[in-house]
Amino acid sequence: DTEVTQTPKHLVMGMTNKKSLKCEQHMGHRAMYWYKQKAKKPPELMFVYSYEKLSINESVPSRFSPECPNSSLLNLHLHALQPEDSALYLCASSQVAGGDTGELFFGEGSRLTVL
Amino acid sequence: GEDVEQSLFLSVREGDSSVINCTYTDSSSTYLYWYKQEPGAGLQLLTYIFSNMDMKQDQRLTVLLNKKDKHLSLRIADTQTGDSAIYFCAEGSGGYNKLIFGAGTRLAVHP
Repeated sequence: DTEVTQTPKHLVMGMTNKKSLKCEQHMGHRAMYWYKQKAKKPPELMFVYSYEKLSINESVPSRFSPECPNSSLLNLHLHALQPEDSALYLCASSQVAGGDTGELFFGEGSRLTVL
Repeated sequence: GEDVEQSLFLSVREGDSSVINCTYTDSSSTYLYWYKQEPGAGLQLLTYIFSNMDMKQDQRLTVLLNKKDKHLSLRIADTQTGDSAIYFCAEGSGGYNKLIFGAGTRLAVHP
């Protein structure tokens, strides 16, 4: 199994809603990532979890709250978002061990629209 | 700071070779990657090259690395319509990894 599965594929929410994006992998990877991708732009790193602990937060606003309940799951909780937060949210995973190629396996993404 | 630059668009005829270029600034990068993104989809790793290599070939793909000039290229031989996508160059350090992506090159393949 070399898949990263993200749900939902599409999400429309209002600025007062609370929703969550979910990501799952069963490759035994111990690093998991959230990236944000705006239209016609490259992915931008938001968060990195390593061994279920938050290792990198790229100064992301607190209306985005990541959670890593276990080594296979990664969530992104959304609350009080703004229309400019509309984007494709990509989850990825990778091995952590030093010397590895650092290949990131990406999910298909969750396309978020904030009204 | 870290920066990865790519040309934004390339149009080729089906059957021709495509060459997508990338420059990067971080000389400490251990690995350089090429990812492919089809419309509405996630990113798929095509190939990578270790920074102490200067060439890697994988079926129709050839990666060339000029470490002195910090220039990376991806050549796709016999380009097909299914190769139409956005190609991202990225640099990283391996392991638990913060990748820096270029802006992406949109490859259009026409008959």
